[in-house]
Amino acid sequence: DGGITQSPKYLFRKEGQNVTLSCEQNLNHDAMYWYRQDPGQGLRLIYYSQIVNDFQKGDIAEGYSVSREKKESFPLTVTSAQKNPTAFYLCASSPTGGYGYTFGSGTRLTVV
Amino acid sequence: AQSVTQLGSHVSVSEGALVLLRCNYSSSVPPYLFWYVQYPNQGLQLLLKYTSAATLVKGINGFEAEFKKSETSFHLTKPSAHMSDAAEYFCAVSSTGTASKLTFGTGTRLQVTL
Repeated sequence: DGGITQSPKYLFRKEGQNVTLSCEQNLNHDAMYWYRQDPGQGLRLIYYSQIVNDFQKGDIAEGYSVSREKKESFPLTVTSAQKNPTAFYLCASSPTGGYGYTFGSGTRLTVV
Repeated sequence: AQSVTQLGSHVSVSEGALVLLRCNYSSSVPPYLFWYVQYPNQGLQLLLKYTSAATLVKGINGFEAEFKKSETSFHLTKPSAHMSDAAEYFCAVSSTGTASKLTFGTGTRLQVTL
């Protein structure tokens, strides 16, 4: 079945450490997105990419980085510059044309 | 620019009662509108979408929504709530055309009581 796979489901990060969240899709979608979800704040866009080798900052890109070397993959790195990284991270993809997203099941990141 | 406002961060209904979750949008161009549902520790699942065809849109699990341009609204309804409907619901808007980026509301948590 086609879908989006996020891994790991749970991730623990030490202070000052970079961590990378994986997102892979086999839907042949052109666009991919990373959102951060905090209680009571809805979904906030971190980065998005509409084609391979190109990506744009969203509303809260500081402290995060991404790459898009393959159409299927859009990994997110949470760097040590992100001061409050504890959150639920959601990856999504969509075809061009504005017809909505397909979401992965999320990664819960906790700083220890 | 586009935005959505969901009125009520928490809504509580009795099992069997009408569910009404409110969403108002703002968009400078004709919008596409979406409702998503999220169960705890899971991703978002598409309930239904409006893409400029019929204004009354039927979705999964008995939900429907009506696009009202004059009121800039896209409220979600279900005639009879079930315990399994307890979840968080998000309204979202995107522009028509080639742009596909969605803007989400802050969500409404639906509680269903016996």
